[in-house]
Amino acid sequence: GAVVSQHPSWVICKSGTSVKIECRSLDFQATTMFWYRQFPKQSLMLMATSNEGSKATYEQGVEKDKFLINHASLTLSTLTVTSAHPEDSSFYICSARQGAHEQYFGPGTRLTVT
Amino acid sequence: GENVEQHPSTLSVQEGDSAVIKCTYSDSASNYFPWYKQELGKRPQLIIDIRSNVGEKKDQRIAVTLNKTAKHFSLHITETQPEDSAVYFCAASKRGTYKYIFGTGTRLKVLA
Repeated sequence: GAVVSQHPSWVICKSGTSVKIECRSLDFQATTMFWYRQFPKQSLMLMATSNEGSKATYEQGVEKDKFLINHASLTLSTLTVTSAHPEDSSFYICSARQGAHEQYFGPGTRLTVT
Repeated sequence: GENVEQHPSTLSVQEGDSAVIKCTYSDSASNYFPWYKQELGKRPQLIIDIRSNVGEKKDQRIAVTLNKTAKHFSLHITETQPEDSAVYFCAASKRGTYKYIFGTGTRLKVLA
């Protein structure tokens, strides 16, 4: 149980375009999902907390107009990177909260912006 | 906000030896501390966790200790094996936000 999927697993896009990443909890409902970004050889940095039916809460320094988050259902949250630039190239990982503190992580999406 | 420091950044041990990774957190309201193992290009995998009402927890070769007063917690791996080689992350979380603040990671190499 507690499986989280992400789609796509990798994506290449051109600078200036937008990319949407999906995060799904497959066998449980998640009122809260989290989005992280991980640069090579670095830690996971929390970008935002996604709450079903309400606006996402962004961490300090994360541009909410650039990283659009939509948590439209109890099993799906999406992250859209708008007007992507090469510096947005990274590994994006979502997690879904089940129970109190437990988070289950998706397999990640590797974004490359050319 | 919460800050989690992790040491060492790299650790090499001989197979069969023990490995210890230490973390310090800043927010005294933190009450949940998971440890994750991450292999290259993969998702983090939970290996053990501890809550603030417990001082120590063990699962086979892996143990975690927590010192709430000092705001320290540590991961202990005994009888290390080559397959333990990976990057390990600690994290801290608290009620209300339940978000994880991760440490900077420790790259563990177990030498055969």
